[in-house]
Amino acid sequence: AQKITQTQPGMFVQEKEAVTLDCTYDTSDPSYGLFWYKQPSSGEMIFLIYQGSYDQQNATEGRYSLNFQKARKSANLVISASQLGDSAMYFCALGSSNTGKLIFGQGTTLQVKP
Amino acid sequence: ETGVTQTPRHLVMGMTNKKSLKCEQHLGHNAMYWYKQSAKKPLELMFVYNFKEQTENNSVPSRFSPECPNSSHLFLHLHTLQPEDSALYLCASSQASGSNEQYFGPGTRLTVT
Repeated sequence: AQKITQTQPGMFVQEKEAVTLDCTYDTSDPSYGLFWYKQPSSGEMIFLIYQGSYDQQNATEGRYSLNFQKARKSANLVISASQLGDSAMYFCALGSSNTGKLIFGQGTTLQVKP
Repeated sequence: ETGVTQTPRHLVMGMTNKKSLKCEQHLGHNAMYWYKQSAKKPLELMFVYNFKEQTENNSVPSRFSPECPNSSHLFLHLHTLQPEDSALYLCASSQASGSNEQYFGPGTRLTVT
């Protein structure tokens, strides 16, 4: 069975500071992927970053980095130098390489304070 | 148009109405998905189409009827809905159903009265 958990319903961060959004997962698939999406109030889900289970290095995309700890089954998102436009809902998702299906976590609402 | 588009963006319908949601992707992808996002719930996968063939129906009630005439277009036909069907309906596409990176449309906010 696959499971993905985000335990932080809401987070606050001061503008220009870094913030970590937590995500833990469970899967029996030998090969899988972890994704982070951003959902602003407009509703669109925006793909941010991807980490493959066999990737040796943590993924980075601009101000986004994924702190992947395979043994702990965690895939936390780190946003550096927060901007007001980062205020949104953030979803972690677990994807099976076999089925291609994505399972989403409950989401974390991030508010960036000026 | 680029990416994934959805129309309409907002829809209010009565329980006896019939309406359709449309999704179009301009990314050359072969797999398309419908998700339902209710308040305070994770996204729920509803249907998956791969090369126009339905490969997944996640126990969705028959009042939701998907249609995929080609790899670029996906419809969700709605009839005799219930108030609890009110939600944000998101369409997504990916290169193939085994390719996990999915790109989403802006969604249709549906309200059933």
